[in-house]
Amino acid sequence: KQEVTQIPAALSVPEGENLVLNCSFTDSAIYNLQWFRQDPGKGLTSLLLIQSSQREQTSGRLNASLDKSSGRSTLYIAASQPGDSATYLCAVGPLEGAGNKLTFGGGTRVLVKP
Amino acid sequence: ETGVTQTPRHLVMGMTNKKSLKCEQHLGHNAMYWYKQSAKKPLELMFVYSLEERVENNSVPSRFSPECPNSSHLFLHLHTLQPEDSALYLCASSQERRDTQYFGPGTRLTVL
Repeated sequence: KQEVTQIPAALSVPEGENLVLNCSFTDSAIYNLQWFRQDPGKGLTSLLLIQSSQREQTSGRLNASLDKSSGRSTLYIAASQPGDSATYLCAVGPLEGAGNKLTFGGGTRVLVKP
Repeated sequence: ETGVTQTPRHLVMGMTNKKSLKCEQHLGHNAMYWYKQSAKKPLELMFVYSLEERVENNSVPSRFSPECPNSSHLFLHLHTLQPEDSALYLCASSQERRDTQYFGPGTRLTVL
């Protein structure tokens, strides 16, 4: 059974500092890995999707890496801003099986202080 | 207007009530999903529909009954719920089953 862990559970940084968020998963047989952002009481917004054959994906200040063999992904957010304050979730999609049964981590709650 | 809408946004119900949650996607996607997000627990997949056919039922109690009348609409019918069912219920859709999922804003459900 796939298990996804995100450490730390919460993170507070001053504005301008780079953010590094970690995600680990126990089963390396994955199809893809996604990073999402969730604002309090709101739905999820997809940030980046990395296919299992890829090593990283970039979008603006965001960069996500994937090391499938070690079961790890890292989300980097450069030059953090107060608007980056949110909970960040990673989710892995299985290689086998019907549907798109994403397994989510517990999230990292980020606070960027002005 | 987001591509995935959910109504109502907030719902308070007693354990003997029957209510329904509605999700509508305006993105032309073929797959739709129901998730449950409880406090202090990771997001959990409940149901997956692909082309209006249920392809995944993640061991969800029968007091939750999904319905997908067409590829744009998804319902979650609720009856005789328990207080522990209080959570944020999120709907999502994707073009195909392995594509990026787009989420609605959620329905905050409180069961008294």
